Amino acid sequence: DAKTTQPNSMESNEEEPVHLPCNHSTISGTDYIHWYRQLPSQGPEYVIHGLTSNVNNRMASLAIAEDRKSSTLILHRATLRDAAVYYCILRRWDKIIFGKGTRLHILP
Amino acid sequence: DTAVSQTPKYLVTQMGNDKSIKCEQNLGHDTMYWYKQDSKKFLKIMFSYNNKELIINETVPNRFSPKSPDKAHLNLHINSLELGDSAVYFCASSFGQGAYEQYFGPGTRLTVT
Repeated sequence: DAKTTQPNSMESNEEEPVHLPCNHSTISGTDYIHWYRQLPSQGPEYVIHGLTSNVNNRMASLAIAEDRKSSTLILHRATLRDAAVYYCILRRWDKIIFGKGTRLHILP
Repeated sequence: DTAVSQTPKYLVTQMGNDKSIKCEQNLGHDTMYWYKQDSKKFLKIMFSYNNKELIINETVPNRFSPKSPDKAHLNLHINSLELGDSAVYFCASSFGQGAYEQYFGPGTRLTVT
């Protein structure tokens, strides 16, 4: 069964870029790669998603490896408000697999 | 206006009781989900419904029964509650599956004593 692997925690300085990695070596062709984040005492919040090509939106960028076995969420300028747990998720119509999440600490 | 709402926010109950958690979305989405987040903060899908049809039914004890009276509501009924059911339960909704973002509710913290 497909799964995603993420580092438990990462640190970054405020106003610097952050690269959050995710391995999903058993991804199938129909799996979308999603990223969500969760602030304390809140529900997860959508960040970005993609299938094969790199994606950009106002929150972040998603870089997907050519073989799709890994991806990287890029926050271009981290702020204190970006401190959260970031989840890498594989989704298709009949399956949703959450990674264990990376707790991102932002240092002022 | 709240997009995905859940009631109650907190639920404390004793082992063996039966309880329900309600979820409503006003986004016009056709797919709704229930997730469980355990004490280690791991999130796991339990169920998903698309247009009131059950799509995902993970290995969840049959004491858990989702009910979707219409596309805007997905309720979770739990029979014979056990200590291990203590967790935060999140409802979510989206358009379709796979390619669309999900909107999550604020969560219901269930404590079984």
